[in-house]
Amino acid sequence: DAKTTQPTSMDCAEGRAANLPCNHSTISGNEYVYWYRQIHSQGPQYIIHGLKNNETNEMASLIITEDRKSSTLILPHATLRDTAVYYCIVTRTGGSQGNLIFGKGTKLSVKP
Amino acid sequence: KAGVTQTPRYLIKTRGQQVTLSCSPISGHRSVSWYQQTPGQGLQFLFEYFSETQRNKGNFPGRFSGRQFSNSRSEMNVSTLELGDSALYLCASSTQGDSREQYFGPGTRLTVT
Repeated sequence: DAKTTQPTSMDCAEGRAANLPCNHSTISGNEYVYWYRQIHSQGPQYIIHGLKNNETNEMASLIITEDRKSSTLILPHATLRDTAVYYCIVTRTGGSQGNLIFGKGTKLSVKP
Repeated sequence: KAGVTQTPRYLIKTRGQQVTLSCSPISGHRSVSWYQQTPGQGLQFLFEYFSETQRNKGNFPGRFSGRQFSNSRSEMNVSTLELGDSALYLCASSTQGDSREQYFGPGTRLTVT
């Protein structure tokens, strides 16, 4: 699976959009970009994933650049409850490849 | 649907003992994965079970083992506990088709003294 690079930490004001970047310059054509987050002392939570098109769900939007070498997770209106470590994971899917490789992630602090 | 449940939530054991942790996946999910989380190493994959068979394994010693039952419930066992085994052990379940969209339980906090 391709390696990802994320900033160690970021701050965001409550109510503003939080834009979390991720670099994955060695991504292969069959690899997806997944985002998870982990709120303190809880298990990780799946947020969103995509292959090459932008994706949106009730939690967030995922913007993947055309060359697929980077992506941005957008939380449109961050709340204090969005304070967490956010993990960007690049991986193939399906079958016997069931493990996720978590890096250090980005610690997002949403401030009032 | 009920989420992934893990028991017990907290556990204290002594070096040399063994421990068994349990995980009940979301109803209908057939894949169960286990992860270890420590401050130093972060989240690391232990193994994955699907239809009672281990189909993927991380880089952990043989003291770490697991199994899955016909109802998809899973257990992991750690024998001859070491201080370094103190960690949060997380279980995640997923459907067969896209095992990367995993749903995690709250974890079992194991302390080895």
